[in-house]
Amino acid sequence: GAVVSQHPSWVICKSGTSVKIECRSLDFQATTMFWYRQFPKQSLMLMATSNEGSKATYEQGVEKDKFLINHASLTLSTLTVTSAHPEDSSFYICSAQGDVTGFKGSPLHFGNGTRLTVT
Amino acid sequence: GENVEQHPSTLSVQEGDSAVIKCTYSDSASNYFPWYKQELGKRPQLIIDIRSNVGEKKDQRIAVTLNKTAKHFSLHITETQPEDSAVYFCAASIAGTSYGKLTFGQGTILTVHP
Repeated sequence: GAVVSQHPSWVICKSGTSVKIECRSLDFQATTMFWYRQFPKQSLMLMATSNEGSKATYEQGVEKDKFLINHASLTLSTLTVTSAHPEDSSFYICSAQGDVTGFKGSPLHFGNGTRLTVT
Repeated sequence: GENVEQHPSTLSVQEGDSAVIKCTYSDSASNYFPWYKQELGKRPQLIIDIRSNVGEKKDQRIAVTLNKTAKHFSLHITETQPEDSAVYFCAASIAGTSYGKLTFGQGTILTVHP
């Protein structure tokens, strides 16, 4: 089945530093990737939609200058948390959308997530 | 935008019993409704999904029903087993280029007691 690789799986950083998270589709092309954030014991909240070669679309309330998203190729999207603060500590998960034609199972494939802890 | 409400927030059942989780959505344009199982610290795993052109879908012990008129859909797990214990999320989106633009419910913590 389709595999989405997300790295790192966990990261600890100091307040004020930046952290980059990578999301790769290993065996399919993902024209669209989605980034979610999940705080402890809460649901997943969509942060932004990333299309290859264009600017990301951010959900209301998500700071685009703080959460930089780059989707430079059909298999890679990155999320950079800039000037991280303790309140940014969360579980970040990407989802890659594959071929949406037909009904060959789910077109969505989640990465394993990245646990970010900002001290 | 879309709003998805999920109930109950916690559900405790005995092994072998059935479990039902219900969700309602607000946007009539939504037509893709997946259910995910998430274990602590792991990614959501799709367990079943349904599109609005069908009213029910079943896969072994798991079934999902959809009522488009009432804008609600439900997950049914029969013959529950301890390994079914996890957090379950319903979600809604619009099929096509925005499959992955999911609005999730609040989640249900399912505990199956042996």
